[in-house]
Amino acid sequence: GAVVSQHPSWVICKSGTSVKIECRSLDFQATTMFWYRQFPKQSLMLMATSNEGSKATYEQGVEKDKFLINHASLTLSTLTVTSAHPEDSSFYICSASSSGRGDTQYFGPGTRLTVL
Amino acid sequence: EDQVTQSPEALRLQEGESSSLNCSYTVSGLRGLFWYRQDPGKGPEFLFTLYSAGEEKEKERLKATLTKKESFLHITAPKPEDSATYLCAVQRSSGTYKYIFGTGTRLKVLA
Repeated sequence: GAVVSQHPSWVICKSGTSVKIECRSLDFQATTMFWYRQFPKQSLMLMATSNEGSKATYEQGVEKDKFLINHASLTLSTLTVTSAHPEDSSFYICSASSSGRGDTQYFGPGTRLTVL
Repeated sequence: EDQVTQSPEALRLQEGESSSLNCSYTVSGLRGLFWYRQDPGKGPEFLFTLYSAGEEKEKERLKATLTKKESFLHITAPKPEDSATYLCAVQRSSGTYKYIFGTGTRLKVLA
């Protein structure tokens, strides 16, 4: 149990376009979902926290208008990178948690974004 | 200020050579401490959650322990497939449920 999926697993896009990444909890209802960014050989950097039906809470320094997060249901959250630029290229990872599972975060497999 | 420090940064072991990874933390009220394993190019895989000092959990060759200031991940007789980055994270007892991550320990087990 506690499986989280992400789609796509990798994406290449042109500068200036927008990219949407989906995160789904497959076998439990996630009251809270988190979005992280990870640079090579570094730890995970939290971008934002989202609760179902509420606006996401962004970490300091993360542009809300650039990284749009929607948590429309208890099993789905999406991250849209708007007007992507090469510096947005990174590994994006989501996680999901629920109070029924002791608030442990279960992570998705990640999405590799490359912006040309 | 909340802080999580993992040591060593990197560790090379021979197959069968047991060792321990350390996670020291400073947090104003601990809700939980979490250990994950991360392979290159993949998301972290959940290993253990520890809630209170004195708690221990085991899974195959791994055993996690917790005190009021630190946690250890003991690896007994490691195999090459245990090679990965091991991440420690803490969660505060108040406020948001977000994690405070350590920088990880990169483990390499040589055959």
